[in-house]
Amino acid sequence: GQNIDQPTEMTATEGAIVQINCTYQTSGFNGLFWYQQHAGEAPTFLSYNVLDGLEEKGRFSSFLSRSKGYSYLLLKELQMKDSASYLCAVGPNDYKLSFGAGTTVTVRA
Amino acid sequence: ETGVTQTPRHLVMGMTNKKSLKCEQHLGHNAMYWYKQSAKKPLELMFVYSLEERVENNSVPSRFSPECPNSSHLFLHLHTLQPEDSALYLCASSQVSSTDTQYFGPGTRLTVL
Repeated sequence: GQNIDQPTEMTATEGAIVQINCTYQTSGFNGLFWYQQHAGEAPTFLSYNVLDGLEEKGRFSSFLSRSKGYSYLLLKELQMKDSASYLCAVGPNDYKLSFGAGTTVTVRA
Repeated sequence: ETGVTQTPRHLVMGMTNKKSLKCEQHLGHNAMYWYKQSAKKPLELMFVYSLEERVENNSVPSRFSPECPNSSHLFLHLHTLQPEDSALYLCASSQVSSTDTQYFGPGTRLTVL
């Protein structure tokens, strides 16, 4: 079975750093994805990790530890436009991506 | 147009109506997906088509019927839906590979009265 856990909500101040954790227990693993979804819009691809370690892309970084079944998405220098839901997903396994329920991040001035 | 498009963006229908959702991808991908997204729940995979053949049907009720006439187009035909089917329906596409990143359309917000 698939079990992917991430916090429901997080709040942070503009200019700060926020770390969104994701833990997973899945029957298969090919990689871990992070998506960003603004209210009423499509999820957009942020990052993909298949090897252990940190991947940095500008203000966003993603970390993976396969042995611990753990990942995090780090958002630096937060901006108001970063207010969104962040989805952790594991796969693909026979075409399937297994998603967490998403973490809603609210950035306050 | 670029990326993945979906029409309509919003749909209100009665339980006895028949309607269809349309998805089109302009990315040259060979796999397409339908997901259901309900509030505070993980995305639920409904159907997968790879090379225009259905490869996954996640125990979806028969009132949802997918159609994939070619690699760029995907439909979801709806009939005699229930109020609990109200949700955001997302289409995605990918190029089948080891990475297989899925790219999503903006979704159709469906309300069943």
